[in-house]
Amino acid sequence: DGGITQSPKYLFRKEGQNVTLSCEQNLNHDAMYWYRQDPGQGLRLIYYSQIVNDFQKGDIAEGYSVSREKKESFPLTVTSAQKNPTAFYLCASSVSGTGGNTGELFFGEGSRLTVL
Amino acid sequence: AQSVAQPEDQVNVAEGNPLTVKCTYSVSGNPYLFWYVQYPNRGLQFLLKYITGDNLVKGSYGFEAEFNKSQTSFHLKKPSALVSDSALYFCAVRDPVGGSYIPTFGRGTSLIVHP
Repeated sequence: DGGITQSPKYLFRKEGQNVTLSCEQNLNHDAMYWYRQDPGQGLRLIYYSQIVNDFQKGDIAEGYSVSREKKESFPLTVTSAQKNPTAFYLCASSVSGTGGNTGELFFGEGSRLTVL
Repeated sequence: AQSVAQPEDQVNVAEGNPLTVKCTYSVSGNPYLFWYVQYPNRGLQFLLKYITGDNLVKGSYGFEAEFNKSQTSFHLKKPSALVSDSALYFCAVRDPVGGSYIPTFGRGTSLIVHP
C-alpha cells in the first residue's frame, strides 16, 4: 500500500550525539515536510522541500538539518546543537509544493526522540 | 498571512450526544480548510477538507464540517459521538492567494467522549 514510513518509532539519544530520522514515501509526492510536536503546542514546521535537491527552513530549523537527494526520501538529522530535542517528530508529504495544491498532507506514524 | 485558532483545548461530550470542535481562521483570500485527527502516539489522519462549493463538507468516520465565510469558521461536527472518537483534532488552513502553500495548523483540541 502507498504511504509514508518513518523510522525508528522510538529513539533514545545521549546528549551531544547527532541522530537521523528516516522518512520514505511511495506516493510519488513532490513535497515533503518535517514537523515537531510538543504537548500543547500543536505542530511546528522544521523544514520542507518542494522538489528534489531543494529544501527550505521552516519556523524552528535551528539545530536540524535535512537532505532531499531522492524524491522518495527526506531524512531529518537532529544535531547536538538542538538544545531541547526531546519531542515527537512527524514527516508528511503532499502531491504538490505549489500554490495551486488543494490536497491534504499525508503523515507518517511519527518518531519519538528522547534525550537521556 | 494565514492563521487558524482552536479556542478550546479540550471538549468533553457524552457518548451518543452531538459533538462540535471549533475552528476559526484568518486569510486574505478564499481559504482551503482541513481537519485532521491524531490518536495517541500516531501520525495525523486526514478527515475532510473544504476547497470550494457546498458549505457542508462530509468526511471520514461520520464527521462533517460547515464552512461559514461570514464568521470565518470551520467547525467540525458529528451527530452522535463514539468513545472511539476520543482523540486530538487539528484544524488547518491555507491561503492559496495571499499565503503559503504550506498549511498552518491550530494547536489542537482534545476530544474526550465519556461512556
